[in-house]
Amino acid sequence: KQEVTQIPAALSVPEGENLVLNCSFTDSAIYNLQWFRQDPGKGLTSLLLIQSSQREQTSGRLNASLDKSSGRSTLYIAASQPGDSATYLCAVNGYQAGTALIFGKGTTLSVSS
Amino acid sequence: DAGITQSPRHKVTETGTPVTLRCHQTENHRYMYWYRQDPGHGLRLIHYSYGVKDTDKGEVSDGYSVSRSKTEDFLLTLESATSSQTSVYFCAISELAYEQYFGPGTRLTVT
Repeated sequence: KQEVTQIPAALSVPEGENLVLNCSFTDSAIYNLQWFRQDPGKGLTSLLLIQSSQREQTSGRLNASLDKSSGRSTLYIAASQPGDSATYLCAVNGYQAGTALIFGKGTTLSVSS
Repeated sequence: DAGITQSPRHKVTETGTPVTLRCHQTENHRYMYWYRQDPGHGLRLIHYSYGVKDTDKGEVSDGYSVSRSKTEDFLLTLESATSSQTSVYFCAISELAYEQYFGPGTRLTVT
């Protein structure tokens, strides 16, 4: 059974720092991996999608990498801002349940000004 | 933003009453999903659909049923609501192996 773990569960940094969020998964047989952002009381916003054949994807200050063989992904946020404060969720899309996503429990990021 | 709406957005109901949540999409995506989000558990799949009238169970399907009579609508029914079904419910859509998009969520409280 696929399991997704995100470390750390919470992270506090001062504005301007570069930071890395970690995601690991137990079964390397995946279609893709998706990173989401969730603000308190809100829905999920898709940030980046990495297909299984890709090593990384970039969007603005965000860069996500995927090492399928080791079951790891990282989300790198450059020059963090207070507006980046949110919970970041990692999810893998595997060969099961109509390719439904299996989620980690998230990393809650707080960026102070 | 992907065209996904959920209704109602908030609902309070009593134990033992039936409840139906609706997800509506305008993207014509084949796959639709219902997840629930709970503290300490994260998001978990309840049911999913891979086409009109084609549905299957997810990880936490007990106490829930679904129906999809049209491409754009996916209904989640709690036949007899229990307090353990108090949660935030999210609908999502996708095409196979592509990006999933989520609706705004429905906050359900069962008293």
